Amino acid sequence: GAVVSQHPSRVICKSGTSVKIECRSLDFQATTMFWYRQFPKQSLMLMATSNEGSKATYEQGVEKDKFLINHASLTLSTLTVTSAHPEDSSFYICSATGFYNSPLHFGNGTRLTVT
Amino acid sequence: AQKITQTQPGMFVQEKEAVTLDCTYDTSDQSYGLFWYKQPSSGEMIFLIYQGSYDEQNATEGRYSLNFQKARKSANLVISASQLGDSAMYFCAMREGNYNTNAGKSTFGDGTTLTVKP
Repeated sequence: GAVVSQHPSRVICKSGTSVKIECRSLDFQATTMFWYRQFPKQSLMLMATSNEGSKATYEQGVEKDKFLINHASLTLSTLTVTSAHPEDSSFYICSATGFYNSPLHFGNGTRLTVT
Repeated sequence: AQKITQTQPGMFVQEKEAVTLDCTYDTSDQSYGLFWYKQPSSGEMIFLIYQGSYDEQNATEGRYSLNFQKARKSANLVISASQLGDSAMYFCAMREGNYNTNAGKSTFGDGTTLTVKP
């Protein structure tokens, strides 16, 4: 099946620094990727839709200047958390997709801790 | 707007027994896909089963089956012969159907935590 690789799996950073999370589709071309945020024991909250070669579409309430998304190629999307603060600590997970009747292929997620 | 409702925050089942996880949805689209995902404590999301809005037969995948009742807008997941490894959080999700794009967003329910007792 389709594989999506997400790195790093865990990252600890200091408040005020930036963190980049990579999401790669290893065996298929992903024109669209989705970035989610998940708090413990809660549902996945869609942050943005990443489209190859164009600007990401952010969900309401998500700061586009704080969560920078770049989808430079058909196999790579990155999420950069800029000037991270402790409230940004969370589990971030990316997914790539085919047609509407195809399941989302998820990365394994990144657990971000901001100290 | 699409909405997924999972009314069971937590469920318990005895090993080897069957369990049903409830999911109801709301959409004005005629074409949509319904999915179930499993999330173990390690965090990865595992696809379990898919049901298309036009599919007349209930989907089955091994021990998983989806009880699809379109008129009721429900898509319950049935796990037969529960195993200890089934203990996890389960999410029901719906995806917009659009033949012109593959970028349909998915809407997730709040999830059900299933605990399988030995």
